[in-house]
Amino acid sequence: EPEVTQTPSHQVTQMGQEVILRCVPISNHLYFYWYRQILGQKVEFLVSFYNNEISEKSEIFDDQFSVERPDGSNFTLKIRSTKLEDSAMYFCASRRGSSGVGGYTFGSGTRLTVV
Amino acid sequence: TQLLEQSPQFLSIQEGENLTVYCNSSSVFSSLQWYRQEPGEGPVLLVTVVTGGEVKKLKRLTFQFGDARKDSSLHITAAQPGDTGLYLCAGERNTDKLIFGTGTRLQVFP
Repeated sequence: EPEVTQTPSHQVTQMGQEVILRCVPISNHLYFYWYRQILGQKVEFLVSFYNNEISEKSEIFDDQFSVERPDGSNFTLKIRSTKLEDSAMYFCASRRGSSGVGGYTFGSGTRLTVV
Repeated sequence: TQLLEQSPQFLSIQEGENLTVYCNSSSVFSSLQWYRQEPGEGPVLLVTVVTGGEVKKLKRLTFQFGDARKDSSLHITAAQPGDTGLYLCAGERNTDKLIFGTGTRLQVFP
């Protein structure tokens, strides 16, 4: 069964450092997403991406965050200057159709720890 | 704020028992999805419901979308230890994002 692949599975970084989280969505999917889950809390939407541009973003997704699809397969989330409160599980997701058409496939996540 | 409240938050039952998890909101959703999440893993889609009153079955799991599309339920018949996990509802409102519920952690003891 097709999977969304995320790397690395764990990342420890010092506060103020830049991190790039990588995702390979399912190949025939057109819509890409990042969500995060702080330990013990709900899964929260960060950003959606379609046709090489951001289609929607949450208030969490401030100027410190950016997304990119540098080639035909990878989808990355960059945090420019990490803060302690950025520590969370970050999930990439993709789906073939838009709203109301099918569900999302989530990756296994990257656990980011900012120290 | 579009909140999806799930109840109960925690549920511990014996193998063979039935259970129902509820997902409630004051907002109308265009579709609602149920996911199961294992520790250290991403949510895995179980079902999507889109029509008010819709009922879907997946083996021993029965999902219902409320008539007004503001709430949903997940019923498990004859629970098994393999059903243990975190169950999440998540709704869409004709935008390109999911609003996740607060989650129900289920433990089924043999």
